[in-house]
Amino acid sequence: NAGVMQNPRHLVRRRGQEARLRCSPMKGHSHVYWYRQLPEEGLKFMVYLQKENIIDESGMPKERFSAEFPKEGPSILRIQQVVRGDSAAYFCATRSAGTGGNEQFFGPGTRLTVL
Amino acid sequence: GNSVTQMEGPVTLSEEAFLTINCTYTATGYPSLFWYVQYPGEGLQLLLKATKADDKGSNKGFEATYRKETTSFHLEKGSVQVSDSAVYFCALTAETGANNLFFGTGTRLTVIP
Repeated sequence: NAGVMQNPRHLVRRRGQEARLRCSPMKGHSHVYWYRQLPEEGLKFMVYLQKENIIDESGMPKERFSAEFPKEGPSILRIQQVVRGDSAAYFCATRSAGTGGNEQFFGPGTRLTVL
Repeated sequence: GNSVTQMEGPVTLSEEAFLTINCTYTATGYPSLFWYVQYPGEGLQLLLKATKADDKGSNKGFEATYRKETTSFHLEKGSVQVSDSAVYFCALTAETGANNLFFGTGTRLTVIP
């Protein structure tokens, strides 16, 4: 049973470009969380999705950031018109519906560098 | 609101030394508490958890006890190894809501032979 997959692992973008980060949940997991880790800081919650629905996006910046989790395929975090301050590690975590919200399994992260 | 405060690092210990990393939290009701470990270049792995007061989580020689009266969840290990070198994060999920994790800032542990 493969774990949570994220790609790409490293992404370099120039200011103003778009970044697309993908997260493939573990088999049987239908809940996805995205977190951002700035250098030397803890992870901060961004958004929580279930299949085809955004449940809580209270941690996501109002502009330039969007997330989706379609019926088929991975969850995608999209950052438009990136700025240097977007440079960070982005982690997704997934869980099944039956765990009662306890254990989330993390992917290896995507490290975004904005030049 | 919900927040986690943990001991700032970095922490450097000799092999076989005793480890304590302090963690306190602020939350309403009865949160679930977690310790995650992050090895270099990797994602976070759950180390241990506790879901109610006085529960003790344990794994790989690490322990932490959920103390409601002091709102703490300190991580301990009696004898650290070089392979324990990593960043340790204390975290909580609220009793209600989206079950997203609230993290402390992390404590980097280096164990030297």
